[in-house]
Amino acid sequence: DAGVIQSPRHEVTEMGQEVTLRCKPISGHNSLFWYRQTMMRGLELLIYFNNNVPIDDSGMPEDRFSAKMPNASFSTLKIQPSEPRDSAVYFCASSLAQGEIHEQFFGPGTRLTVL
Amino acid sequence: GESVGLHLPTLSVQEGDNSIINCAYSNSASDYFIWYKQESGKGPQFIIDIRSNMDKRQGQRVTVLLNKTVKHLSLQIAATQPGDSAVYFCAETGGTYKYIFGTGTRLKVLA
Repeated sequence: DAGVIQSPRHEVTEMGQEVTLRCKPISGHNSLFWYRQTMMRGLELLIYFNNNVPIDDSGMPEDRFSAKMPNASFSTLKIQPSEPRDSAVYFCASSLAQGEIHEQFFGPGTRLTVL
Repeated sequence: GESVGLHLPTLSVQEGDNSIINCAYSNSASDYFIWYKQESGKGPQFIIDIRSNMDKRQGQRVTVLLNKTVKHLSLQIAATQPGDSAVYFCAETGGTYKYIFGTGTRLKVLA
């Protein structure tokens, strides 16, 4: 079974440029999460989708960040304009929410470096 | 591919010995706990979970212990192998999608 797929695996860009990160969740999963991981803050939840609808975006740092989920098999996280402090590893995770259990499966991550 | 970095607590164990990784969780209302393993350059991988109505759960070579009185979770790895070298995170949730992740412990297995 293919797990969560993310692309690109590595992205190096210059400050001010637009960055788009992509995620394909596990087929059949109804929940999708975007996380950011840094040395200082560890893993932070950015946004949570359920059945393609954004449920909780309280973790999105600011208006420069936006996320979409146009269908059950694809999501994007966009940063425009990017800044050096956005440098981090961004993870997408998906789960099949059943009752109270939300076991999350993580993708390999996208390492973003903003120069 | 480092996950978190230079200031993670580190546990060094000899190959073949048992490892115990500890985690203090924050919310007394949390009722579901998970241990994740993160290898360099990879995303966190589920290892084992436990519900709050249990004190202990065993998997293959791993055991999770939960002490709700002191809000403490531990992961025991039997006969630690080089492939166990990674960063280990605990996560807690109160039955919702929102996980609270610990800062992680780096496990180094010495040959």
